[in-house]
Amino acid sequence: ILNVEQSPQSLHVQEGDSTNFTCSFPSSNFYALHWYRWETAKSPEALFVMTLNGDEKKKGRISATLNTKEGYSYLYIKGSQPEDSATYLCALYMDSNYQLIWGAGTKLIIKP
Amino acid sequence: GAVVSQHPSRVICKSGTSVKIECRSLDFQATTMFWYRQFPKQSLMLMATSNEGSKATYEQGVEKDKFLINHASLTLSTLTVTSAHPEDSSFYICSARDSGDLAETQYFGPGTRLLVL
Repeated sequence: ILNVEQSPQSLHVQEGDSTNFTCSFPSSNFYALHWYRWETAKSPEALFVMTLNGDEKKKGRISATLNTKEGYSYLYIKGSQPEDSATYLCALYMDSNYQLIWGAGTKLIIKP
Repeated sequence: GAVVSQHPSRVICKSGTSVKIECRSLDFQATTMFWYRQFPKQSLMLMATSNEGSKATYEQGVEKDKFLINHASLTLSTLTVTSAHPEDSSFYICSARDSGDLAETQYFGPGTRLLVL
């Protein structure tokens, strides 16, 4: 059974603070990792697609790193703002499986 | 970015009725569309994958006669929950991809919350 684990399950962060959370996955047969941001009552929004070990991607204050050998990806948010409040999902493609395997998400709440 | 719409956003129905949910890609042609189901506090679970003009591929444990999927055009896929029962109450969400590359982004609709009484 393929398992994509995200931790923590939820996170409260003070506005202005930086934060990060983790997506862990089986390191064998890795193909691609996706990060999505899902705000309440909206569609999940694609943040990053990462394919290579050591990849680092950045979009504004949000960045992500990828370690395929040890099976994890970190998502970082610098200087959190209230609009960053959302559930952050990661999803994995293995090269032996055509479907995305989803984590349960990290729910981020920014306190003003 | 690409936009996917989903309709209706919320539906309440009586047990035994059928419910159709539409998923449309508004500004791109979706060669592949996906239907997911999400239970509270759980991951998105893929139900089926549909390619335009061909039969959907259902995941293990998903009844194809219960959840009918039609992908008649490159911009529209429908999911029909037939003879719905309370245990079918859930959040259903679709996504679309415009290429066969697994590393390509999936674009999501906003989801449909189904409540079967």
